[in-house]
Amino acid sequence: DAGITQSPRHKVTETGTPVTLRCHQTENHRYMYWYRQDPGHGLRLIHYSYGVKDTDKGEVSDGYSVSRSKTEDFLLTLESATSSQTSVYFCASGASGSLYEETQYFGPGTRLLVL
Amino acid sequence: QKEVEQDPGPLSVPEGAIVSLNCTYSNSAFQYFMWYRQYSRKGPELLMYTYSSGNKEDGRFTAQVDKSSKYISLFIRDSQPSDSATYLCAMSATGDYKLTFGKGTLLTVNP
Repeated sequence: DAGITQSPRHKVTETGTPVTLRCHQTENHRYMYWYRQDPGHGLRLIHYSYGVKDTDKGEVSDGYSVSRSKTEDFLLTLESATSSQTSVYFCASGASGSLYEETQYFGPGTRLLVL
Repeated sequence: QKEVEQDPGPLSVPEGAIVSLNCTYSNSAFQYFMWYRQYSRKGPELLMYTYSSGNKEDGRFTAQVDKSSKYISLFIRDSQPSDSATYLCAMSATGDYKLTFGKGTLLTVNP
């Protein structure tokens, strides 16, 4: 399994405060992804990265920004947290040219509560 | 119409039953098909991977892809209580590197 860690694992914050979630992978994967998972909606892609400093928006990117300064790290920032951003956030990574092309490997998740 | 449709269940079966989980899709460009298993309060883990059409078997698990019908299935034989989880189908087109997920089916296997 890909070595993917997320920090923090749990966070409670107040509306209007900035929040940064960190994803770290040890597999030297080129691609990294941030998802949120909510009941009734499944997994929804927020942003993804296809290389250092190369990022693009997913289907629910409003209110979120990302940065990738190193291959192994992908940061997700909520500029000003809102209650609608209460969710479970998953990071994933994947490699092109691997045995399982197009596959993604997921981290353990971060549970975020915005009060 | 959503790109990927998956019956959310919940599905409850007795131990030892054969379980069939299914997804339909609309994008004919999808070539890579995956099943992920997600235990409660955990991240999804890759369970089965299939490229293009056909069957793939791994122990008690069999994945089937029928591209002509745009239909994929996961079969679990001799189901166990440890199989209780949410199962997510996922698929991708060549060179896309983004997955389209179904919403997941919650399975409970009762001892």
